[in-house]
Amino acid sequence: DGGITQSPKYLFRKEGQNVTLSCEQNLNHDAMYWYRQDPGQGLRLIYYSQIVNDFQKGDIAEGYSVSREKKESFPLTVTSAQKNPTAFYLCASSINYRDNEQFFGPGTRLTVL
Amino acid sequence: AQSVAQPEDQVNVAEGNPLTVKCTYSVSGNPYLFWYVQYPNRGLQFLLKYITGDNLVKGSYGFEAEFNKSQTSFHLKKPSALVSDSALYFCAVRDSPDKLIFGTGTRLQVFP
Repeated sequence: DGGITQSPKYLFRKEGQNVTLSCEQNLNHDAMYWYRQDPGQGLRLIYYSQIVNDFQKGDIAEGYSVSREKKESFPLTVTSAQKNPTAFYLCASSINYRDNEQFFGPGTRLTVL
Repeated sequence: AQSVAQPEDQVNVAEGNPLTVKCTYSVSGNPYLFWYVQYPNRGLQFLLKYITGDNLVKGSYGFEAEFNKSQTSFHLKKPSALVSDSALYFCAVRDSPDKLIFGTGTRLQVFP
């Protein structure tokens, strides 16, 4: 999983609570990404950031928020507005936004109780 | 819009036999194509990519992929499968300079 860490590995949350997933990289990469993985649906892009202090919505951004205050960190908040948050969340990074070879973290499995 | 399709949910192969995992794509312009592998409860690992040049691309762990423009395919291959190759494989295509679109994945099961 290279130099990308995600924590925690497993996360449980009650309905109506916001929760923040951590993603840190020490690869000095400019670009970072958040994906959601559901069985049979592959990976879907939630948010991405080409450079620090900048980010864009992906295909399924509703109910999620992010920040990119530091180059090495790209936390994802799953808000109570996300209707079906139980999923496996993957963070990735690439050297820059034009280099599509992405390096992935080990993932966080979020379960809403 | 760009897209990729992985027509097989699962591929079963005996150890030592050649394996193929299929991927077809639809893009406007020249395709940038990728293969990733995912082991259980882990992140994805990059295997190989095609941007330009030779149609046969060699990657990690003995895998290779053949780019076929006329058939719009980018099938993943390995001459001799190992039990340890059992995993989930994803094909991806560049959607824009800064995004990838992933297929739904193909589970490869290699039997001893």
